[in-house]
Amino acid sequence: SQQGEEDPQALSIQEGENATMNCSYKTSINNLQWYRQNSGRGLVHLILIRSNEREKHSGRLRVTLDTSKKSSSLLITASRAADTASYFCATGGSYNTDKLIFGTGTRLQVFP
Amino acid sequence: GAGVSQSPSNKVTEKGKDVELRCDPISGHTALYWYRQRLGQGLEFLIYFQGNSAPDKSGLPSDRFSAERTGESVSTLTIQRTQQEDSAVYLCASSLSIGGRAYEQYFGPGTRLTVT
Repeated sequence: SQQGEEDPQALSIQEGENATMNCSYKTSINNLQWYRQNSGRGLVHLILIRSNEREKHSGRLRVTLDTSKKSSSLLITASRAADTASYFCATGGSYNTDKLIFGTGTRLQVFP
Repeated sequence: GAGVSQSPSNKVTEKGKDVELRCDPISGHTALYWYRQRLGQGLEFLIYFQGNSAPDKSGLPSDRFSAERTGESVSTLTIQRTQQEDSAVYLCASSLSIGGRAYEQYFGPGTRLTVT
C-alpha cells in the first residue's frame, strides 16, 4: 500500500521558475524523505527531514514538514532543465523497521 | 566507493519459471531493502533486512516471493512460478542503521523483470 500522495501529479514549468510539490500522508512518521527519479540515474536521495524538524534546506531545495497536517512540501527554486524528473516523498514510520512507504510521485517537466 | 549494484539489469522469463535477483549493497550498510515499482507507479516495499535477519517481510505479495541475505552483504530475491503481474522493476537499497536513527537509503539501478 502507498502512504503518501503527491500533488500535483504532473507539473510543467519554464527554466528559472520555482516548482512546488506537496505530499500528504496518513499515519505517524519518524521521518520523511524526498527522492528524485529519472531514467538516466535511477532513484536519488534528495533530503531527509525528521519528525521534530519543520524546515530543511539543501542548495536550491527547501523542504517543510507539518506533522499536525500530515503534509510536506518540496520547493525547487530557479529550476533547470536538468531538474526534469519524477519526485517522490517517502515516509519512515518506526525505529524497528526503517522501511520507506513511497507516495505516487510528481512528474516535473522543466522547459528550457 | 561503489554504490549499490544489482544483477541482472534486465530479465525476461516465461510464465511459470523461477527467477533470482541479486543485490550487492554498499559495504558497511547493515540495512538492506527490496522494493518493487510497476510502470508509472511509486515504489512498493517488499522486505527489509537488518544484518542477515528480516524483521519485516510484510510487503512480500505472496509465498512465491522469498529473500535471503548472507554475510551481512549480498541479498537475493527469488520469485517462484512467475506470473505476468510480477513484471516490474525490482529495486534494492541499503543504508546505515545505527541506534534506530533513520538514514537515507541508497538505491541500486534495479532489475527490470518481464514475464511473458
